[in-house]
Amino acid sequence: GAGVSQSPSNKVTEKGKDVELRCDPISGHTALYWYRQRLGQGLEFLIYFQGNSAPDKSGLPSDRFSAERTGESVSTLTIQRTQQEDSAVYLCAGSGTSPLTGDTQYFGPGTRLTVL
Amino acid sequence: AQSVTQLGSHVSVSEGALVLLRCNYSSSVPPYLFWYVQYPNQGLQLLLKYTTGATLVKGINGFEAEFKKSETSFHLTKPSAHMSDAAEYFCAVKGAAGNKLTFGGGTRVLVKP
Repeated sequence: GAGVSQSPSNKVTEKGKDVELRCDPISGHTALYWYRQRLGQGLEFLIYFQGNSAPDKSGLPSDRFSAERTGESVSTLTIQRTQQEDSAVYLCAGSGTSPLTGDTQYFGPGTRLTVL
Repeated sequence: AQSVTQLGSHVSVSEGALVLLRCNYSSSVPPYLFWYVQYPNQGLQLLLKYTTGATLVKGINGFEAEFKKSETSFHLTKPSAHMSDAAEYFCAVKGAAGNKLTFGGGTRVLVKP
């Protein structure tokens, strides 16, 4: 596609439920990142994929959070047993390997998660 | 370790006035520096970036930023604000050998007519 897409755009769930958030990066972007943006705050790094391996998971806040990636395409971020503090906008970004583009991360529109 | 500080969470400017958004960073390796803009209910859009070379970087929509190593700063400016510049602006740093971006807390710009 022309840009990074994320689904759903909005998700309302009840505390304790599991949720899955999806990211579809730009074709050819081998690196994929997940960030979290809490209300009124900057973005927090969650996890980085290179291809389908995740060399940096240092930002995942707890073992309730996990992510996977299929090849060099779609990624899914799963939050188990959601808590109210998980409410945030979850943003996905990708970057390519070209020297011209490799340093720039291209962001999707985000998924707004609300945990009641 | 890297960190970014954006001075001022909210900035109000008059249409036609100078826009100045401040960003200071810390990085143990030569940094790559970025400014992103986020319009309401949208994702982040790259305004400009510094990697190597010329320290004055020009971006989209008339914005520019200057990398000053001695001051560890990368302030964003625009000579004349337009109503369409109302948005939230994020400064970010990435170590040249690293991957993840570290963001500042953001500055929300309000443009008054």
